[in-house]
Amino acid sequence: QSVLTQPPSVSAAPGQKVTISCSGSSSNIGNNYVSWYQQLPGTAPKLLIYENNKRPSGIPDRFSGSKSGTSATLGITGLQTGDEADYYCGTWDNSRRGYVFGTGTGVTVL
Amino acid sequence: QLQLQESGPGLVKPSETLSFTCTLSSGSVSSTTYHWGWIRQPPGKGLEWIGIISYSGNTYYNPSLKSRVTISVDASKNQFSLKLSSVTAADTAFYYCARQYSNGPYDHIDVWGKGTTVTVSS
Repeated sequence: QSVLTQPPSVSAAPGQKVTISCSGSSSNIGNNYVSWYQQLPGTAPKLLIYENNKRPSGIPDRFSGSKSGTSATLGITGLQTGDEADYYCGTWDNSRRGYVFGTGTGVTVL
Repeated sequence: QLQLQESGPGLVKPSETLSFTCTLSSGSVSSTTYHWGWIRQPPGKGLEWIGIISYSGNTYYNPSLKSRVTISVDASKNQFSLKLSSVTAADTAFYYCARQYSNGPYDHIDVWGKGTTVTVSS
């Protein structure tokens, strides 16, 4: 029952690019900044992108974020086997007065 | 660099209250910049935000859990805690404590604990 919708999975060959969409509404993405989190198998999530397109220290520039209206997108270029993980978008929801996560997208490197 | 460490019961019976504590390795839970909170993840499912607390004690909870959740801070121990009452099997999950930057439209969770698993079963 998440308010942010992501595709369940995306895949591509090593070295290729994938994009992951995150669809919301005016009460969340439309009026707040979006973050992205990477969860490698068996580990805690890690902040990948914040404030729509900023990368924390140590995150390679192969990862990028953007936002338009009530949707956001995470891009991963130069795909590596180590990028196989679940990816979640997140933002504040003004109507719920709480933080919300997307449904999550699993990335597979073919 | 800040690390967070959860501690919890592992196994709880239905209708009981779950209690977790998160301890900071450095810094202060009384920071005016950050909120402290909890996120959970049922087995094989996605992330669910539970709630946060500010240095001043202001709390924000997930509406679907609000009636059962209490988050508190113990500044003397540099810890914060989660209590979840009247648990059912649906509360079985991995629970993470986290540091959340929350300021108007700016919100992100930048530090996560390793997480601790809880099973609700009789």
